Amino acid sequence: DAKTTQPNSMESNEEEPVHLPCNHSTISGTDYIHWYRQLPSQGPEYVIHGLTSNVNNRMASLAIAEDRKSSTLILHRATLRDAAVYYCILGLLGGGADGLTFGKGTHLIIQP
Amino acid sequence: DAGITQSPRHKVTETGTPVTLRCHQTENHRYMYWYRQDPGHGLRLIHYSYGVKDTDKGEVSDGYSVSRSKTEDFLLTLESATSSQTSVYFCAIREIRDRRRGGYTFGSGTRLTVV
Repeated sequence: DAKTTQPNSMESNEEEPVHLPCNHSTISGTDYIHWYRQLPSQGPEYVIHGLTSNVNNRMASLAIAEDRKSSTLILHRATLRDAAVYYCILGLLGGGADGLTFGKGTHLIIQP
Repeated sequence: DAGITQSPRHKVTETGTPVTLRCHQTENHRYMYWYRQDPGHGLRLIHYSYGVKDTDKGEVSDGYSVSRSKTEDFLLTLESATSSQTSVYFCAIREIRDRRRGGYTFGSGTRLTVV
């Protein structure tokens, strides 16, 4: 699986936008960019995914660089409930048969 | 969301005893996975299944076995538990029918302590 690089931690204030970066310089043409997050004491949950175009859903936006070597997850207005570890993962849509490969992710801290 | 439940949610066991964790799904998904998570690590894949009686090893399979005799159940067994297997275990299913959701749904985890 292609590797991703994320900052270990980031801090933001409540009700402000948060931009979580992810570098993936060895991404292949068929790799989707998936974002999952893990709230304290819970399993990971799906946030968003994309291939080439920017994507929006009710949780977040995903901005993908034109060369696809980096992407940014955008939380438009962070709340305390967004404090979690965010994982950027490359893979086929729906992942491969052998599952997702998780890195250490970015620990997002939200200050009230 | 796919109905996915793990049992037990918490377990304390003694070194050397066998332990079985259960993952149950209600929506007939073909692919199921077991991960473990330890402090300072992301999730690491233990074993996965791509159908009834079809399983394969993941990154950290030593000391673990799995079985899938029915579509809905994926069992993870620690043959002889060791303290290094103290961890939080997550089960996941892979959904391929709803392409809006990216594919994976995880259970709430089983916290296993081996003393």
